[in-house]
Amino acid sequence: GAVVSQHPSWVICKSGTSVKIECRSLDFQATTMFWYRQFPKQSLMLMATSNEGSKATYEQGVEKDKFLINHASLTLSTLTVTSAHPEDSSFYICSASGRGDNEQFFGPGTRLTVL
Amino acid sequence: AQSVAQPEDQVNVAEGNPLTVKCTYSVSGNPYLFWYVQYPNRGLQFLLKYITGDNLVKGSYGFEAEFNKSQTSFHLKKPSALVSDSALYFCAVSYSSASKIIFGSGTRLSIRP
Repeated sequence: GAVVSQHPSWVICKSGTSVKIECRSLDFQATTMFWYRQFPKQSLMLMATSNEGSKATYEQGVEKDKFLINHASLTLSTLTVTSAHPEDSSFYICSASGRGDNEQFFGPGTRLTVL
Repeated sequence: AQSVAQPEDQVNVAEGNPLTVKCTYSVSGNPYLFWYVQYPNRGLQFLLKYITGDNLVKGSYGFEAEFNKSQTSFHLKKPSALVSDSALYFCAVSYSSASKIIFGSGTRLSIRP
């Protein structure tokens, strides 16, 4: 089956630093990737949709300069949290889908803690 | 606009009893409906989906869900609960499998021995 990985699985950083999270489709080409964040005991909220080779589409209320998304290849998308602050601490989950009307496959998530 | 509602924050069931986790949706057109399960500090695991066809959809781990168009519901069911079914369950809706998914608020399922 289709596998999506995320790296790192968890990260702790100091306030003001930037953190990059990778999302990879291991055995298929992901034309579209999605980034979600999840606060404790809450649902997943879509942050942005990225298509390979084009700019990401951000959901309302998500700062695109704060959360930089790059989808440079068909197997890799990155989310960079710039100048991270404690309120950015969250569980970030990516998903990926291939060409056509294919299913989305979710990564295992990355827990970010900003001190 | 699409939306999905899970009216119960928590469902408690004794092991061996049947379980139901409720979900209602609101979407124009024909929806794609999903159920996912999440274990602590883990990503989402796909359980099942409805696109078209039979209203009763069978999925992983013995779960099934019934699509009811008139009631706009997609309740998750299992005939006999296991303690290992204890987790957070999300209902979700989309216009297609590959478009953005809108998640419900989640229902925590607790199965007592």
